[in-house]
Amino acid sequence: AQSVTQPDIHITVSEGASLELRCNYSYGATPYLFWYVQSPGQGLQLLLKYFSGDTLVQGIKGFEAEFKRSQSSFNLRKPSVHWSDAAEYFCAVGPTGGGNKLTFGTGTQLKVEL
Amino acid sequence: GAVVSQHPSRVICKSGTSVKIECRSLDFQATTMFWYRQFPKQSLMLMATSNEGSKATYEQGVEKDKFLINHASLTLSTLTVTSAHPEDSSFYICSVGQGVSEQYFGPGTRLTVT
Repeated sequence: AQSVTQPDIHITVSEGASLELRCNYSYGATPYLFWYVQSPGQGLQLLLKYFSGDTLVQGIKGFEAEFKRSQSSFNLRKPSVHWSDAAEYFCAVGPTGGGNKLTFGTGTQLKVEL
Repeated sequence: GAVVSQHPSRVICKSGTSVKIECRSLDFQATTMFWYRQFPKQSLMLMATSNEGSKATYEQGVEKDKFLINHASLTLSTLTVTSAHPEDSSFYICSVGQGVSEQYFGPGTRLTVT
């Protein structure tokens, strides 16, 4: 069965520091890969997604993620974190052959220290 | 992307009563809506796919008679938790879209059953 692991439940970084949030997946084949962000009172917002092609994906708000097939990973990065980036981040996978089911990780809560 | 709202944002009900949660797509004709549940410290789990004008499709292990879904129009889906019990306390999130590649999420509804 497919699964998504986000090993870090909480991460605290200083504003201006770099950020990397880890995501590993278990899937029968290479799935579609997503990162979402959830701020309090807001719905999940898509940051970026990977379907195929270039393994380094650029997203909104200055985020990027790199797909590494050999490691079954899709880590999210940002070179310089802003206080407004404090939120919960979810990695998710979905089937490439059609279907609606997204499988989410448990999320990583990001705190930004000023 | 689509704007999705949920009502109420929080609800407290007594054990044994039923509670209805609304999901509205404000600017997207949604033939399909999705209902997720999120327990504390756990990932979002897809409960069911709501299809406009037809019966919902439930994920394995989700009781269709307990979680009644009605999708009567292209902009509204409702989830009714019948005979709620404390173990049903959770965060319920809906999304609209087509497949996994394009889903827009509502802000969620926090249900507490006392």
